[in-house]
Amino acid sequence: AQSVTQPDIHITVSEGASLELRCNYSYGATPYLFWYVQSPGQGLQLLLKYFSGDTLVQGIKGFEAEFKRSQSSFNLRKPSVHWSDAAEYFCAVGAREGNKLVFGAGTILRVKS
Amino acid sequence: GAGVSQTPSNKVTEKGKYVELRCDPISGHTALYWYRQSLGQGPEFLIYFQGTGAADDSGLPNDRFFAVRPEGSVSTLKIQRTERGDSAVYLCASSLHGGVYNSPLHFGNGTRLTVT
Repeated sequence: AQSVTQPDIHITVSEGASLELRCNYSYGATPYLFWYVQSPGQGLQLLLKYFSGDTLVQGIKGFEAEFKRSQSSFNLRKPSVHWSDAAEYFCAVGAREGNKLVFGAGTILRVKS
Repeated sequence: GAGVSQTPSNKVTEKGKYVELRCDPISGHTALYWYRQSLGQGPEFLIYFQGTGAADDSGLPNDRFFAVRPEGSVSTLKIQRTERGDSAVYLCASSLHGGVYNSPLHFGNGTRLTVT
């Protein structure tokens, strides 16, 4: 069975600073990996996804993530954080044959000015 | 265009009561999902519909939970004899096709259920 660990419950960064949110997954084969963002009062929005090929994937809003098979990780990065990035971020894994996603517990990002 | 719509946005009910939560997916989306998000947790899969049929209901916690999608569009999640542990945000998502690979999930804003 798949599982996802997001080790950081909360992260605070200064506006303009770089960001890295950690995600580790457990799955026996090559997974499908996703990052979603949830802003207050908003539905979950897909930031980016990895299926195969280039291990560095680009997403919306200037985010990117890198798949590292050897570390079972899919960390999310952004070079310069904006105040509007404050939200909760979820990493998710899906089986290639399946129809459901398994989400991590989320990381709450706070941006200080 | 319109996104996934969930009603009501908030529902407060007493322990033991029956509740129905409604989801209107994006028009033309054949796949519909229900997830549950408890406080401090990520969304947890409940059930997946492809068209009118429940293709995977392995996430439903017990037989008090039931969902239907009779015409392949609107779906209703039904909870009988509600318990305080059912309190959570219930999320609905739809996608053009089924399968995590084929098309991305579009989530609604959720229904916050509180059982007192």
